[in-house]
Amino acid sequence: SQQGEEDPQALSIQEGENATMNCSYKTSINNLQWYRQNSGRGLVHLILIRSNEREKHSGRLRVTLDTSKKSSSLLITASRAADTASYFCATEHYGGSQGNLIFGKGTKLSVKP
Amino acid sequence: GAVVSQHPSWVICKSGTSVKIECRSLDFQATTMFWYRQFPKQSLMLMATSNEGSKATYEQGVEKDKFLINHASLTLSTLTVTSAHPEDSSFYICSAGGLAGGGEQYFGPGTRLTVT
Repeated sequence: SQQGEEDPQALSIQEGENATMNCSYKTSINNLQWYRQNSGRGLVHLILIRSNEREKHSGRLRVTLDTSKKSSSLLITASRAADTASYFCATEHYGGSQGNLIFGKGTKLSVKP
Repeated sequence: GAVVSQHPSWVICKSGTSVKIECRSLDFQATTMFWYRQFPKQSLMLMATSNEGSKATYEQGVEKDKFLINHASLTLSTLTVTSAHPEDSSFYICSAGGLAGGGEQYFGPGTRLTVT
């Protein structure tokens, strides 16, 4: 089965810097979603971008989607120590069941104060 | 906003026993819920799709007789790990679909299962 792949696997930055995480997938999608997970906790939905959208913003988050390259990026601007978490992309596949998400392996972000 | 709860948040059980994990949508009705398993430092893997009033749909490689799923109402789905073994130790997370069918998922806080 398809699985998204994020890179980098781990990212360490200083507070105030921007953090960029990338996600690639293999087959056609309905939408791509980014989630955040604090250590040992559940997932929090951050942003959803549909296959016909190219860019979306939410606060300090900016997501892009390039369906020709089957890739997406998540940018967190002006990072804070509280942004420290793992970030996952998840894809809902075209032709699949609604809500059936395939998750990538995640990027572990560490923001140092 | 949509809230999904899980109970218990963590459980320790002995090998061979069964454990039931509950997933509830607190402020909306969920005809479909999803169960995921996450091993340490790994991603979430979908185990099964739970449909209210019908049988769950299991992903390839997931034993339906070992992981019993019951979706008895529009706000409750349960996952029972039967005859648990140490290799079943994992983080189990449920989710429910977005209110308007928009595609986003609302996740429970997860249940940490440790089988000794």
